[in-house]
Amino acid sequence: KQEVTQIPAALSVPEGENLVLNCSFTDSAIYNLQWFRQDPGKGLTSLLLIQSSQREQTSGRLNASLDKSSGRSTLYIAASQPGDSATYLCAVRSGTGNQFYFGTGTSLTVIP
Amino acid sequence: DTGVSQNPRHKITKRGQNVTFRCDPISEHNRLYWYRQTLGQGPEFLTYFQNEAQLEKSRLLSDRFSAERPKGSFSTLEIQRTEQGDSAMYLCASSLSGGVNTGELFFGEGSRLTVL
Repeated sequence: KQEVTQIPAALSVPEGENLVLNCSFTDSAIYNLQWFRQDPGKGLTSLLLIQSSQREQTSGRLNASLDKSSGRSTLYIAASQPGDSATYLCAVRSGTGNQFYFGTGTSLTVIP
Repeated sequence: DTGVSQNPRHKITKRGQNVTFRCDPISEHNRLYWYRQTLGQGPEFLTYFQNEAQLEKSRLLSDRFSAERPKGSFSTLEIQRTEQGDSAMYLCASSLSGGVNTGELFFGEGSRLTVL
């Protein structure tokens, strides 16, 4: 079974800092990997999707990379803002089957 | 495109009662997922539909849980004889197979269940 780990569990940074969130997975035979943001009591908002054949994806201040061989993905957030405060989750879809496996998330607080 | 819609948003029920949640996916999406999330945890897979066919079901899902997706459109998740351990956020997601961003998941706002 695919295991997904996110480190750190919580992160607090001053506004304006660049930061990196980490996601690791145990089975490198993945179909794709997706990063989400979740605000308290809300559903998940899709940030970036990386297909297994891709190495990275960018959207605005966000950049996600994927290294299948090492079972790792990173989410880079540039010039962080207080509005970025949320929990960030990564999800991996295995190469076999259709379910997505989620990490427990990184809770980010950006201090004004 | 109005996104994934879930109803009700909140449900409080007494132990032993039955509850039903509804999910309306993004209209052209052929795949639909149900997940459960408890505080501080990532979403946990419950079941998956492709069109109207239920193709995968978590082994953790007890017989008290049943899901349907008649006609491949909206889906319902029913929990019978609720227990306090069923208290959680129930999340629905949909995706479209094929295209540039094939398989990208889109979630609804969730249905929060509290069992007293």
